[in-house]
Amino acid sequence: DAKTTQPNSMESNEEEPVHLPCNHSTISGTDYIHWYRQLPSQGPEYVIHGLTSNVNNRMASLAIAEDRKSSTLILHRATLRDAAVYYCILKGKGGSEKLVFGKGMKLTVNP
Amino acid sequence: AAGVIQSPRHLIKEKRETATLKCYPIPRHDTVYWYQQGPGQDPQFLISFYEKMQSDKGSIPDRFSAQQFSDYHSELNMSSLELGDSALYFCASSLDRGQYEQYFGPGTRLTVT
Repeated sequence: DAKTTQPNSMESNEEEPVHLPCNHSTISGTDYIHWYRQLPSQGPEYVIHGLTSNVNNRMASLAIAEDRKSSTLILHRATLRDAAVYYCILKGKGGSEKLVFGKGMKLTVNP
Repeated sequence: AAGVIQSPRHLIKEKRETATLKCYPIPRHDTVYWYQQGPGQDPQFLISFYEKMQSDKGSIPDRFSAQQFSDYHSELNMSSLELGDSALYFCASSLDRGQYEQYFGPGTRLTVT
């Protein structure tokens, strides 16, 4: 499974936008970029995923670089409930469906 | 909306005992995954099932076994428990395999004393 690199942690203020970066320089052409998050004492939660084009859903937006070597998860208006560990995960098309969690990035949201 | 159900939520066992964890996927989801998360660790994939057949296997000890039943629920059986098996065990389900999102249950916290 291709490797992703994220900062160990980030801080943001409530009601402000947050951009969470992820580098995946060894991504292959068929790898999808998935984001999950894990709130304290809870199971991981799906956030968003994409292949090449930018994606939007009710939780967040995913901006994918043109060369696909990096991506950014955008929380448009951070809330205290968004404080969690965020995982950027690559999943190959047709390959194993398992999620390979890396170290993740801890997001702190200040009131 | 219905979510993934796991039981029990908490389990305390002694070394060398056995434990059975149960997972009930979201209705119509045919794929189930098991993950283990040790204290301060990230979740690690154990095993998955698609349409009642094992579809992938991760770093699951030989002491552990799992299966998916005809109603798609799954059970993780753990024998000869060791202290190091103390962890959170998450079950997730998805609609088919591939790039579909996985929905996680609340987890079972297993403590081995």
